[in-house]
Amino acid sequence: AQTVTQSQPEMSVQEAETVTLSCTYDTSESDYYLFWYKQPPSRQMILVIRQEAYKQQNATENRFSVNFQKAAKSFSLKISDSQLGDAAMYFCAYRTSSGSRLTFGEGTQLTVNP
Amino acid sequence: EAGVTQSPTHLIKTRGQQATLRCSPISGHTSVYWYQQALGLGLQFLLWYDEGEERNRGNFPPRFSGRQFPNYSSELNVNALELEDSALYLCASSFDTGKETQYFGPGTRLLVL
Repeated sequence: AQTVTQSQPEMSVQEAETVTLSCTYDTSESDYYLFWYKQPPSRQMILVIRQEAYKQQNATENRFSVNFQKAAKSFSLKISDSQLGDAAMYFCAYRTSSGSRLTFGEGTQLTVNP
Repeated sequence: EAGVTQSPTHLIKTRGQQATLRCSPISGHTSVYWYQQALGLGLQFLLWYDEGEERNRGNFPPRFSGRQFPNYSSELNVNALELEDSALYLCASSFDTGKETQYFGPGTRLLVL
């Protein structure tokens, strides 16, 4: 069974600084998808970034980028120029290419200090 | 374009009652997924509906059920409510399975007293 682990329950960053959230996963599949979602206090789950395992290039979305290390089964999220609105719970998620369900990590609560 | 919508936003029930939660997917999306986010248990997959059929379910008892309507909206029913069913129930939708990203609604918070 696939598992996703986020080893940092809480992280904090100063506004305008950079922070990296860690995620590791376990799978025997070769083709799969990885996601980062954020869940602010409003509880709405919002997609941050998506990575296809077959792509070697790391995904980037504006201030958000990932470091995808397939061999190490590692998928970290880097947030540059952190803003107060980035404060949220961040979830790493995995899905096989043939499957439907998302498997989520435990989440990392990010605090942005002004 | 409207996102995934869910109703009601909050629901309070007593133990033993039935709860019905509703979800309308993004226009054009045919797949609907249900997840439970209970305190201390994280996010767990409940059910997946596609083209009106239940395609997969997570490790939940049969009293969790649902359906998908011809317009692709979906209903989640929880029978014989137990206290531990108290949770945020999130609905997500996608164009189809496999390669498509799931987009989430705001959730329904269910409280069982």
